[in-house]
Amino acid sequence: NAGVTQTPKFRILKIGQSMTLQCAQDMNHNYMYWYRQDPGMGLKLIYYSVGAGITDKGEVPNGYNVSRSTTEDFPLRLELAAPSQTSVYFCASSYSNNSPLHFGNGTRLTVT
Amino acid sequence: KQEVTQIPAALSVPEGENLVLNCSFTDSAIYNLQWFRQDPGKGLTSLLLIQSSQREQTSGRLNASLDKSSGRSTLYIAASQPGDSATYLCAVGNNAGGTSYGKLTFGQGTILTVHP
Repeated sequence: NAGVTQTPKFRILKIGQSMTLQCAQDMNHNYMYWYRQDPGMGLKLIYYSVGAGITDKGEVPNGYNVSRSTTEDFPLRLELAAPSQTSVYFCASSYSNNSPLHFGNGTRLTVT
Repeated sequence: KQEVTQIPAALSVPEGENLVLNCSFTDSAIYNLQWFRQDPGKGLTSLLLIQSSQREQTSGRLNASLDKSSGRSTLYIAASQPGDSATYLCAVGNNAGGTSYGKLTFGQGTILTVHP
């Protein structure tokens, strides 16, 4: 049982490039989330999904897009990378809106 | 807007000591509260989840309490061990019309070091 799997683990982008951060879970969870964590700060919610085909914005969605075509996958898209998007990105999932969150190990992204 | 604050930012204790980590939040209309542990370079691991109707939850040497009216939660760790060294994060699920959609507002965390 792999839990929540994120790829890649590390990535360096140039300003203006685009990329997709992959997230997959094998626990059949309906709820999935993307958070970013900046040094010395708590996590901030970027986007979330309550089921396949349903997504909504979190606290800091600008510069990002998501899709949820299957229960298992929740990719995060950066279209025009900016230095302000340098961060560690965490994907998480939960069975319900009142269940513990399960996190992946994160993707460390640097934009230069 | 919900704000979550954790005090202290860092704590260093000798092995065997009992300790308390503090979390405060500004909006008492919460859905639930979770405590997480984060090891360096890793994701977060859920430790305890307290429903808004509960006062405390226990798991092994960990006990988390919740006082909604005062906007506070504490995480008590008994008989600390070097393996408990990690960052501990508190996160609040805000009540939005009877649900939270699982969305959490996180504190900045407390870095705990337990030395032998």
